[in-house]
Amino acid sequence: EAGVTQFPSHSVIEKGQTVTLRCDPISGHDNLYWYRRVMGKEIKFLLHFVKESKQDESGMPNNRFLAERTGGTYSTLKVQPAELEDSGVYFCASRQSGANVLTFGAGSRLTVL
Amino acid sequence: QKEVEQDPGPLSVPEGAIVSLNCTYSNSAFQYFMWYRQYSRKGPELLMYTYSSGNKEDGRFTAQVDKSSKYISLFIRDSQPSDSATYLCAMSEREYGNKLVFGAGTILRVKS
Repeated sequence: EAGVTQFPSHSVIEKGQTVTLRCDPISGHDNLYWYRRVMGKEIKFLLHFVKESKQDESGMPNNRFLAERTGGTYSTLKVQPAELEDSGVYFCASRQSGANVLTFGAGSRLTVL
Repeated sequence: QKEVEQDPGPLSVPEGAIVSLNCTYSNSAFQYFMWYRQYSRKGPELLMYTYSSGNKEDGRFTAQVDKSSKYISLFIRDSQPSDSATYLCAMSEREYGNKLVFGAGTILRVKS
């Protein structure tokens, strides 16, 4: 079974540019989560999709972040315009409904210069 | 004050040692407690999942939860160099791991 796939693995952009991160969850997992870890901080929750619907987006830091999951399969997280403080590692995780286990991807490292 | 406190280490032990990793938390609504292991450049991997207070054992790993003290522990017996990783505690108020709150992670190094 393929795991959670994220790309790009590393993105370096200038402040003010746009970046789109993509997550392909495990097939059949209705629940998809985005988390991020900024330098020196804990991994923090961003949002939770159930299929294509946003179940909880209380962790999204501001309106420069837009997450989508069209069709309930893969998800994208767009940052526009990127700021220096957005640098960090963005993790995606997926979970089958009724199961306790979240499976995380390897993360997408974002560096904003 | 952080919701979850975890000493970042690093913790360095000789091979074969018993390792004790700990987290404290402030939110009494947390009911579900997890330990994740993360290797460099990889995502967190679930090691242990426990509900409420008590102990849970899985091979060389034992997780303990003391809700009265708001304190959780992970013990690793007969530690191996392959156990070298970052160990993250995580907690949630609701079942199924929605909206996890993580500790900072403890870096563990097991020397052969």
